[in-house]
Amino acid sequence: EIVLTQSPATLSLSPGERATLSCRASQSVSNYLAWYQKKPGQAPRLLIYDTSNRATGIPARFSGSGSGTDFTLTISSLEPEDFAVYYCQQRTNWLTFGGGTKVEIK
Amino acid sequence: EVQLVESGGGLVQPGRSLRLSCAASGFTFDDYAMHWVRQAPGKGLEWVSGISWKSGSKDYADAVKGRFTISRDNAKNSLYLQMNNLRDEDTALYYCAKSHTNSGTRYFDHWGQGTLVTVSS
Repeated sequence: EIVLTQSPATLSLSPGERATLSCRASQSVSNYLAWYQKKPGQAPRLLIYDTSNRATGIPARFSGSGSGTDFTLTISSLEPEDFAVYYCQQRTNWLTFGGGTKVEIK
Repeated sequence: EVQLVESGGGLVQPGRSLRLSCAASGFTFDDYAMHWVRQAPGKGLEWVSGISWKSGSKDYADAVKGRFTISRDNAKNSLYLQMNNLRDEDTALYYCAKSHTNSGTRYFDHWGQGTLVTVSS
């Protein structure tokens, strides 16, 4: 099983700041990595797939990068609605999620 | 508009069974693989099971293999999860999720609101 480790566990930032979230895989997942946003009481929302492709309707402030074992989700300028938990997910070998990074208001 | 509506959750004793359902609308259901993903209280997301568009392929997480069975009825636009021999650790909010593409790519672009399963004596 491929283990995805997300860091940091919590990111405390202010609106307008840049957020950089990390996801590290225990072995290469090629570029088969996605990012989701999860808010309390809401269903997860697909943001990015295959490392860097934005899903339908996702604002350009969300971007993804990386390859192999190291991946990054960047939110260029945090909007109030971006404070949430973010999960990475790989589909190379079965299907696993990372433990999540909570982006909270500082 | 894509809609996924789960039902069938509830409180159940360890060792008992429960069947979850997911009613789909707003897309051509039999063109897409479908999945179940769960989230235990205070925990992260965990993929549970997936089924291909014509039920030819079914996959399960090791934690549920041999106890859970996924199925679908394309005539009814419905997805199911039969859960047998439930354990305390199966307590979670269970989401129905649609595959991102009709080639079976295992990302999920639409999710239901979830149905809560609580396993407790």
